Amino acid sequence: EVQLVQSGAEVKKPGESLKISCKGSGYSFINYWIGWVRQMPGKGLEWMGIIYPGDSDTKYSPSFQGQVTISADRSISTAYLQWTSLKASDTAMYYCARKGMGATHTVDYWGQGTLVTVSS
Amino acid sequence: FMLTQPHSVSESPGKTVTISCTRSSGNIASNYVQWYQQRPGSSPTTVIYEDNQRPSGVPDRFSGSIDSSSNSASLTISGLKTEDEADYHCQSNDNTIPWVFGGGTKLTVL
Repeated sequence: EVQLVQSGAEVKKPGESLKISCKGSGYSFINYWIGWVRQMPGKGLEWMGIIYPGDSDTKYSPSFQGQVTISADRSISTAYLQWTSLKASDTAMYYCARKGMGATHTVDYWGQGTLVTVSS
Repeated sequence: FMLTQPHSVSESPGKTVTISCTRSSGNIASNYVQWYQQRPGSSPTTVIYEDNQRPSGVPDRFSGSIDSSSNSASLTISGLKTEDEADYHCQSNDNTIPWVFGGGTKLTVL
């Protein structure tokens, strides 16, 4: 069974750093793109970036380029989303999601989400 | 480009509802459109992929279509049930951006 299991909720202060994770299981982790999607409270889904763990090829949305870093550790089938200096406006639910195999752009599996709260 | 959805729609149980998703630039038919259902407090799940395909387990009450004349995609849900009450998000792509999402539509079944 394919699963994407994300790390738990975080409460941080403005200016702090954070790295959240997404562990894939039940499939060949290196062969599928993994993306990160933000959902601010009461709002829609926003694509942040995507990584191919096989060769670490990474693409960022222009809206998030330079604001976050996406990485992956193939040895433990885990993708990461990282901030160096959080802002209150980073408060949101963050989902990792697997892009289907090949040319399709369908998300076929989603993580359960990680709630990040940034407050002084 | 952007995908624009109505903020909310409502309909009675047993009726049919259609949710639109309009592409701001580029041809809607050039890239597949997906639809995701998101119930409160849950992650999204796929109800339609590649314009009109249903994943296994999704009832045939859910259907998707494309209209090039209005440059839009539509999700139609027939025989509405209270369990269909959720947010619905459309998604497509272009040559440089793999995932573009619409703003989401809140479906109320009353």
